[in-house]
Parts: sequence; C-alpha cells; structure tokens
Amino acid sequence: GAGVSQSPSNKVTEKGKDVELRCDPISGHTALYWYRQSLGQGLEFLIYFQGNSAPDKSGLPSDRFSAERTGGSVSTLTIQRTQQEDSAVYLCASSPLLNSPLHFGNGTRLTVT
Amino acid sequence: GENVEQHPSTLSVQEGDSAVIKCTYSDSASNYFPWYKQELGKRPQLIIDIRSNVGEKKDQRIAVTLNKTAKHFSLHITETQPEDSAVYFCAASMTNAGKSTFGDGTTLTVKP
Repeated sequence: GAGVSQSPSNKVTEKGKDVELRCDPISGHTALYWYRQSLGQGLEFLIYFQGNSAPDKSGLPSDRFSAERTGGSVSTLTIQRTQQEDSAVYLCASSPLLNSPLHFGNGTRLTVT
Repeated sequence: GENVEQHPSTLSVQEGDSAVIKCTYSDSASNYFPWYKQELGKRPQLIIDIRSNVGEKKDQRIAVTLNKTAKHFSLHITETQPEDSAVYFCAASMTNAGKSTFGDGTTLTVKP
C-alpha cells in the first residue's frame, strides 16, 4: 500500500523566504510526527499530532516554525523567514497509535542559500 | 524530558562478526524501545522493537535486550553482512507521551 508521502523532495530557497513542506500520512494513521535531520546528525523532534488532541509543539526551535494538520490527515510544516541553519532534511512519520512503530516518508531536503 | 544516549557513534566490524549497539534512557516511564535502520540517502525503517514487559526479542540475526532496572537496551546483530552497513538509531517513548526520543545514531560499517 501507499506509504508516507512528502513534497517537495527538494527545496532550495533564499534566506528570508517562507517555505511550506507537505506530508501525506498513511491512511488511518492517527498520529503524525515531524522530525528534522541535519547532515550526519540524529533525528530532532519538532512536533506531533494525535487525533483531535492539541499537538505537542515542544520541539519547535523558534516561533518561525509552525505546523497544522487538516482533517486529521495531511500536515503542513511552515518555516517563516528561513535562515541558513534551517537547512536540513525534514522527515514526516505516521503511526496507527501512540507508542507504536513510526513509518517515515522520504523527507524534504531544504537548502537555504 | 526523556534523554537517550547511544554508543558507539561509529562501529566497524568484519563480515561474519557480531555487532552490539547500546542505548541508555533517563525516564523510567518509557516503555517502548524501537530500533531503526537508515541506509544512505534513505528513510529510517523499523528493524525491531521491544516493550518493557519483556527482556529480550529476537528476529533472525537481530536481537534486542532490555534492562529496565539499569535503563538500558541493546541491539545485537550476528553474522554481519555488508548490507547491514547503515546508520542505526535507537528510540524511547512512553504511553502517555507520543513522541519518540532518538539517540544520535551509530554508523555501522561491515567490511567484506
């Protein structure tokens, strides 16, 4: 079946511009997560959504980052006024329940020039 | 919050040898411990997981052990093959907090 889909796969933007990254989770998965992976580094938690509960935003690095999940399905991560340190691979994952295996998308590689 | 430490950061073994990667966690409430494998340029994928109600789980050449008292868990790969070369991440999460906290990863190289 279809896995987690992310778009775009690559995004190059100029410093100061806003970007939107999209994630389409596996159908029926109630939990959706965003992680960031800098080159050669680990997975940094950003935010997660679970059903209709308020999202856990504790990992967002600054108020330039925001995310929403519409209709319990598609999610968009928005970065405003991008900085060079925002350059990384942004990974989305979904899972059928909390505390269960994460299914990752292929990520969006963001480069801020 | 939860903190997960992973060691070693790099590991090089000869084909056929065993590899062991260790993780420690800080929050005793954590009860789910997955391991993910990430090949170069690809997405992380689950290879094995363990819950806190068991001490060991095995799947062919891969096994995971959990010591709740010491708050550490380990990945064991036996009879390593070149295709096992990848970055391995451990993670920890708990029932009432959905986010998984990841270790920094171990780059495993299996030399033919």
